[in-house]
Amino acid sequence: GQNIDQPTEMTATEGAIVQINCTYQTSGFNGLFWYQQHAGEAPTFLSYNVLDGLEEKGRFSSFLSRSKGYSYLLLKELQMKDSASYLCAVKVTNAGKSTFGDGTTLTVKP
Amino acid sequence: DSGVTQTPKHLITATGQRVTLRCSPRSGDLSVYWYQQSLDQGLQFLIQYYNGEERAKGNILERFSAQQFPDLHSELNLSSLELGDSALYFCASSPRPGSTDTQYFGPGTRLTVL
Repeated sequence: GQNIDQPTEMTATEGAIVQINCTYQTSGFNGLFWYQQHAGEAPTFLSYNVLDGLEEKGRFSSFLSRSKGYSYLLLKELQMKDSASYLCAVKVTNAGKSTFGDGTTLTVKP
Repeated sequence: DSGVTQTPKHLITATGQRVTLRCSPRSGDLSVYWYQQSLDQGLQFLIQYYNGEERAKGNILERFSAQQFPDLHSELNLSSLELGDSALYFCASSPRPGSTDTQYFGPGTRLTVL
């Protein structure tokens, strides 16, 4: 089976840094994605990791440890518009099938 | 705007009915994915097509079926609808299986079954 765990909710302050963790146990691994989803809207791509290490992209960074089945998304200089759900997804087959976690709802407060 | 289009945006229907959701992928993308997102659940992968062929299947009910046409648009057919089928249905596309396979999501179709 596939199991992806993320915290359900997190709260942080505008201008701060927040780390959203994701652990996974899947039948296959061909990469890990992070998506942002605002309520009622479509998920939008944030990052992709297939090798261990940190990928930095502006205010957002994503880290992967394949041996630990662990990833995190780091958001710096938080803005109010960063309030959203953040979805961790593992590509379980090379054909592209992905399994999504239930998402972490991040609330950014002034 | 991801470049993926879905129609209709909203659909309200009754139990027992059948509906068809339509998706047009981004220009050049060959792969189409369908997802269901209910209020109390995350994104559930339903099915994937690549260049007209079924590529992967997830938790898709037998009452649901899909296909991808030669022009690469895809349709998801939902029949014998139940109240529990009320959800957001997303379509996503990507260039091809393999590589990074970043999926670009359409705006979704909100289905309400009364």
